[in-house]
Amino acid sequence: GQQVMQIPQYQHVQEGEDFTTYCNSSTTLSNIQWYKQRPGGHPVFLIQLVKSGEVKKQKRLTFQFGEAKKNSSLHITATQTTDVGTYFCAYIQGAQKLVFGQGTRLTINP
Amino acid sequence: DAGVTQSPTHLIKTRGQQVTLRCSPKSGHDTVSWYQQALGQGPQFIFQYYEEEERQRGNFPDRFSGHQFPNYSSELNVNALLLGDSALYLCASSRYARGYNSPLHFGNGTRLTVT
Repeated sequence: GQQVMQIPQYQHVQEGEDFTTYCNSSTTLSNIQWYKQRPGGHPVFLIQLVKSGEVKKQKRLTFQFGEAKKNSSLHITATQTTDVGTYFCAYIQGAQKLVFGQGTRLTINP
Repeated sequence: DAGVTQSPTHLIKTRGQQVTLRCSPKSGHDTVSWYQQALGQGPQFIFQYYEEEERQRGNFPDRFSGHQFPNYSSELNVNALLLGDSALYLCASSRYARGYNSPLHFGNGTRLTVT
């Protein structure tokens, strides 16, 4: 089936720096979801994008869905230590089956 | 409003044994999905239950089976455990009728270690 590739696999930043993770697919996706998993925790839903070129914001987080619906990005402005965790993109295949990317692990130096 | 609850939290088993993991969905949810998350990887879909039937299945062998009860709770059973089955097992619930507009709510998971 379709795969989604996330880059980078790891990212270490200084607190206050920006962070971006990218999610790429070789085929068109009908939707993309983003989840955050804190160390030792479980994935928590952040957002869903379904429209070509869609941009959504949640405070310091900006989510984009590419025009061709083959890629997506999550950008965090001015990171804080609470942003630490692994960010996963995922898409729904069939009836609510989520296919996850490998995730981008974000660590922050305070 | 209780979220998704899973039990047990941790479990240690020996190769060849069998294990049963349990999940209660979030209130108002009728669909339960199970995912396996190996260390450093994204969750992998095992299967999904709705109306007490398996609706979708991922690429997992028949050693993995499940059940959903009338109260929507679910069990995941794994037979003939292998070392490679060591992982975090996540249960996620949602509302079937909303289709892909129903984001998944995950439980805290069961950490299974096979020795």
